[in-house]
Amino acid sequence: DQQVKQNSPSLSVQEGRISILNCDYTNSMFDYFLWYKKYPAEGPTFLISISSIKDKNEDGRFTVFLNKSAKHLSLHIVPSQPGDSAVYFCAASYVNRDDKIIFGKGTRLHILP
Amino acid sequence: SAVISQKPSRDICQRGTSLTIQCQVDSQVTMMFWYRQQPGQSLTLIATANQGSEATYESGFVIDKFPISRPNLTFSTLTVSNMSPEDSSIYLCSVEPVDRVYGYTFGSGTRLTVV
Repeated sequence: DQQVKQNSPSLSVQEGRISILNCDYTNSMFDYFLWYKKYPAEGPTFLISISSIKDKNEDGRFTVFLNKSAKHLSLHIVPSQPGDSAVYFCAASYVNRDDKIIFGKGTRLHILP
Repeated sequence: SAVISQKPSRDICQRGTSLTIQCQVDSQVTMMFWYRQQPGQSLTLIATANQGSEATYESGFVIDKFPISRPNLTFSTLTVSNMSPEDSSIYLCSVEPVDRVYGYTFGSGTRLTVV
């Protein structure tokens, strides 16, 4: 039973355009959502997070939107840059699970020149 | 955020042998986590390692197969025992953040291939 789903295994976006990565979740108990970025041969690095009491969080070129009624969140990257090419993992957690986080399968983002 | 040194970065091992993966953190942390990422899959939590107590394993993972040590607040090891090709994965350690806002920090991972 996959509680966090990233249905697009890969995405290609032109440099300078907006990249939108999507994530769906099934467990309404989740109260914190995170995005991680992973380059080959490296561990995931934290990118941005959002609490369930918010619907938007912005940090530079990265914005995460949360739609609780749809159990959907998305990561927007504007403008997309070559260094953004990586695998992006959506993750979720809730306090009663001792802060353990559950990951989606990831979306590989290719930024095209 | 904490800095994690994980080693080895990769290894090729024979079936039936064991490999111990080490994670060293540059600061004291209460909880450390061990994850596995099989090819094409998400990161799956194996166990949570707390200092001074036995590790807590997730469903599908057992101590005999993945023994964990946590001798102090800056170090942990995960052993993959009696390996088979199905254990070929990336193994990662992670530490809890001081504040959830900052996310978890991960080691660089150990890419294990069992032949």
